[in-house]
Amino acid sequence: ETGVTQSPTHLIKTRGQQVTLRCSSQSGHNTVSWYQQALGQGPQFIFQYYREEENGRGNFPPRFSGLQFPNYSSELNVNALELDDSALYLCASSSATATKDQDGYTFGSGTRVTVV
Amino acid sequence: DAKTTQPPSMDCAEGRAANLPCNHSTISGNEYVYWYRQIHSQGPQYIIHGLKNNETNEMASLIITEDRKSSTLILPHATLRDTAVYYCIVRVGTSNTGKLIFGQGTTLQVKP
Repeated sequence: ETGVTQSPTHLIKTRGQQVTLRCSSQSGHNTVSWYQQALGQGPQFIFQYYREEENGRGNFPPRFSGLQFPNYSSELNVNALELDDSALYLCASSSATATKDQDGYTFGSGTRVTVV
Repeated sequence: DAKTTQPPSMDCAEGRAANLPCNHSTISGNEYVYWYRQIHSQGPQYIIHGLKNNETNEMASLIITEDRKSSTLILPHATLRDTAVYYCIVRVGTSNTGKLIFGQGTTLQVKP
């Protein structure tokens, strides 16, 4: 059983550019959530995707968008990057149809984005 | 949106029990408490979760007060590898499609 895989592991972008981050969910999981973790802070919920549609969103502007694909993998896109977008972006997968409420959420190792 | 409050840091001697407290006084009746830990900015690792009853697994025990306004994570025999940031989390929403509301975390330092 594979875990959650995120790519790339890190990247550096210039202010105003766009970035796309990728996440492969754990086998058997059909829901993907994205979190932003600024340095020294706890992760903050960005949004969640289930059945290829956005299923809940945190307090993030529309320039943060995402996709979920039929194989349950997901992308996070951030347009018009700002310096404050520098953070570790975490993807977590879970199963909305799990019959037992187990650990539920498996996190990837994240993508570190640095905006200069 | 903050749901949990934790002390910023704690120390524990190797081999002793580590007791990490968390306040979640605004928790709603159907919201679960989760604990994750994070080492060296890797992805958070699941430890345990519960709703009302105390829970135990191979990693830790979770003690939730009867009024559900606070909980304690217990690592029974802390090792140096348990040094990490521990997050007390409230899950908002139903089942495994809910969102996790992280607190600021407690940095646990296990010392020899």
